Amino acid sequence: SQELEQSPQSLIVQEGKNLTINCTSSKTLYGLYWYKQKYGEGLIFLMMLQKGGEEKSHEKITAKLDEKKQQSSLHITASQPSHAGIYLCGADRTGANSKLTFGKGITLSVRP
Amino acid sequence: DGGITQSPKYLFRKEGQNVTLSCEQNLNHDAMYWYRQDPGQGLRLIYYSQIVNDFQKGDIAEGYSVSREKKESFPLTVTSAQKNPTAFYLCASSKGQVNSPLHFGNGTRLTVT
Repeated sequence: SQELEQSPQSLIVQEGKNLTINCTSSKTLYGLYWYKQKYGEGLIFLMMLQKGGEEKSHEKITAKLDEKKQQSSLHITASQPSHAGIYLCGADRTGANSKLTFGKGITLSVRP
Repeated sequence: DGGITQSPKYLFRKEGQNVTLSCEQNLNHDAMYWYRQDPGQGLRLIYYSQIVNDFQKGDIAEGYSVSREKKESFPLTVTSAQKNPTAFYLCASSKGQVNSPLHFGNGTRLTVT
């Protein structure tokens, strides 16, 4: 079974609209990482969340980790075409090292 | 600028041939990783190394081999035993400590026919 579930699988939004995507685990996580990927390229690190209830923002992107450290959301405000891509969440399941398990990713398209 | 270099970007091989993918980093990171990405399946860990001359199997190591003779380099060999080698391969590195983000290369797309 997939240990990290991401939803929705894909998303199309009109430029300027807000959106939220999610990443859910059945187990408590030691760290949750958000990455962005353009098709055929490597992953770009966005943010890392460690503590229950933690929230971080960078430009128009805000990521939150719930109190139980099992669910994270990524919110984009006033989406732009540059936000289009694949968003992946990765998780540290052991707390022993930096090895990460990833979700399947969410494909975001932004219509001009 | 520091970063991770994967080469080549595209690689084509005939079935039955071994092929080696290159990964070099100049970030002075201790840990390095190889992931495979297939459509609809996300990233899956093949091998990882937390220190020179040591490496561990990930979730899908069968049909692959690695070496870590230098801190900067972590080549991946896709052997003829790998049943479905066609995929996008991503190399990453990190400081190796808990809560250290992974930094990724731009990937190598391997096609085996």
